[in-house]
Amino acid sequence: QSLLTQPPSVSAAPGQKVTIACSGSSSNIGNNYVSWYQQLPGTAPKLLIYDNDKRPSGIPDRFSGSKSGTSATLGITGLLTGDEADYYCGTWDRSLSAVVFGGGTKLTVL
Amino acid sequence: EVQLLESGGGLVQPGGSLRLSCAASGFTLTSDAMSWVRQAPGKGLEWVSAISGGGATTYYAESVKGRFSISRDNSKNTLYLQMNSLRGEDTAVYFCAKDPRGGLEFFDKWGRGTLVTVSS
Repeated sequence: QSLLTQPPSVSAAPGQKVTIACSGSSSNIGNNYVSWYQQLPGTAPKLLIYDNDKRPSGIPDRFSGSKSGTSATLGITGLLTGDEADYYCGTWDRSLSAVVFGGGTKLTVL
Repeated sequence: EVQLLESGGGLVQPGGSLRLSCAASGFTLTSDAMSWVRQAPGKGLEWVSAISGGGATTYYAESVKGRFSISRDNSKNTLYLQMNSLRGEDTAVYFCAKDPRGGLEFFDKWGRGTLVTVSS
């Protein structure tokens, strides 16, 4: 069971907006930066968001991140069928002295 | 272009050993910390181990501590993961990932992964 809790699945129609929550605690999200990764079927994870809300070059501004207290949120607007993937949050946990990931959220674009 | 290419995976019996490699190109391995992250079939991501840019500091998940060892050969620009006393629960795709700030805060490049299957 992951220390970071994500919903197993979310869905929305093309063109719509979706948010994916990631809930943690003071030992992880509450005191560290959060990152988000997209994993398309059969491929390696890809960095979408780092430092809670920053996008690497090449990531469209349809993807956004935010953090409040011990929770973080990934937002995706203007959904495309190509956005169908698994999404993971990640951060450092000071109690475990380890990187922790959420269990992942499967996005379906209906 | 930054690229990471893992190799060394395969089928191994419980209790056996395997060494994974991650060849880096497009950047110098010593400039960044590196990690190994694994993904069991149909499961989520699990961080396994990390090594600092200089190679002096290493970190391990509790699940592999004492069994796995991370290292790097800067002359070959290659990262390694020595895995001993393998168990069925170690079956996974193993990815190497680049940590640009060295703080284990995020990974900006990932390899395609190599599959390790532990089974008799």
